[in-house]
Amino acid sequence: QQPVQSPQAVILREGEDAVINCSSSKALYSVHWYRQKHGEAPVFLMILLKGGEQKGHEKISASFNEKKQQSSLYLTASQLSYSGTYFCGTEYPGNTPLVFGKGTRLSVIA
Amino acid sequence: DAGVIQSPRHEVTEMGQEVTLRCKPISGHNSLFWYRQTMMRGLELLIYFNNNVPIDDSGMPEDRFSAKMPNASFSTLKIQPSEPRDSAVYFCASRLAGRFNEQYFGPGTRLTVT
Repeated sequence: QQPVQSPQAVILREGEDAVINCSSSKALYSVHWYRQKHGEAPVFLMILLKGGEQKGHEKISASFNEKKQQSSLYLTASQLSYSGTYFCGTEYPGNTPLVFGKGTRLSVIA
Repeated sequence: DAGVIQSPRHEVTEMGQEVTLRCKPISGHNSLFWYRQTMMRGLELLIYFNNNVPIDDSGMPEDRFSAKMPNASFSTLKIQPSEPRDSAVYFCASRLAGRFNEQYFGPGTRLTVT
């Protein structure tokens, strides 16, 4: 039931783009994205509630393909401040709690 | 809003001692979650409450772990007796129950058991 995130880790230079994927083997209600910096708590970025929905947060956006049971997080023109571990949390029917993936470690270098 | 509040932020204790972690959820949130995070196992859900009632504690690793939520603004996670393998960061999170609502994490308690 745990969603699968890919890639596990990625290194970018400032200004480059990245895509982080989150896939589920079960039908999803919603997908929540978080970023966690080293030594800090996960911070909520955005929630996607239905298929086809796209959202943005600064230069970070996400999409949710309900049919494919997956979501993608897009980071464009990356900045040093984007470094951290990105988690997706998936929500399933039945009022169950979020299930988090293992995370994608993103490092942005100058 | 002050956000989710946890205490202590750091705890160092000796094996065999009792440890109590505390959490105050965001006012108005009626779901509360306790997580444990380690490098090896990632972010694990230990237990969650809806309206102060424990709903699922299947993630609690052993009987040494217990959690309570005596009222809507306070929860504790207790480990008795503690063991070195319990060393981890413990997060509390809260949310207004419902499909469309965001979940917020507290700053965490870093527990070290020697």
